[in-house]
Amino acid sequence: DIQMTQSPSTLSAFVGDRVTITCRASESIDKWLAWYQQKPGKAPKLLIYRASSLESGVPSSFSGSGSGTEFTLTISSLQPDDFATYYCQQYNSHSWTFGQGTKVEIK
Amino acid sequence: ELHLVESGGGLVQPGGSLRLSCEASGFTFSYYWMHWVRQAPGKGLVWVSRIKTDGSVTIYADSVKGRFTVSRDNARNTLYLQMNTLGAEDTAVYYCVREGHAFDMWGQGTMVTVSS
Repeated sequence: DIQMTQSPSTLSAFVGDRVTITCRASESIDKWLAWYQQKPGKAPKLLIYRASSLESGVPSSFSGSGSGTEFTLTISSLQPDDFATYYCQQYNSHSWTFGQGTKVEIK
Repeated sequence: ELHLVESGGGLVQPGGSLRLSCEASGFTFSYYWMHWVRQAPGKGLVWVSRIKTDGSVTIYADSVKGRFTVSRDNARNTLYLQMNTLGAEDTAVYYCVREGHAFDMWGQGTMVTVSS
């Protein structure tokens, strides 16, 4: 199975900061990568698909990049509503695997 | 409005069985492949199972293969997950998920607790 590794596991930042989360795949997944946001007690929400396509309704402050094995999620200016846990997910093979998550906390 | 609503979770003893349901509304359910994803308390997301639009193709994570069965009734717009021989490691919130642009629609989840 393809393994997904996110870094960092926890990130402390101020409102207004630019934030970047990295996701690495154990083998090439082309651009078959998605990013999700999850708040406590809620279901995950799709932010980015196909590595860099913004899901409808998601603020343009979110962006994704990368291909192959290295991917990033960037929040250009962190807002109070953005404090949450973020997961990457590969969907290249028939075993959809998630990263372990990155918790974005208020500094 | 688009909705996925899971039900059927609860407390079950080790070795027991449970059937989860997920009712879809607001979109053409039969057009979409569907998945189950679970999340143990305080842990990350784990993919469980996928089913084709017409139910003819299913695939499972190794951890549930042979114990869980996914099915669907397109006439009722409902997805199911039959879970047998449950163990403590199956304790989790189970999400019903639509596969569109990646996993583009999630239910609110239903909690399954396996404990004596």
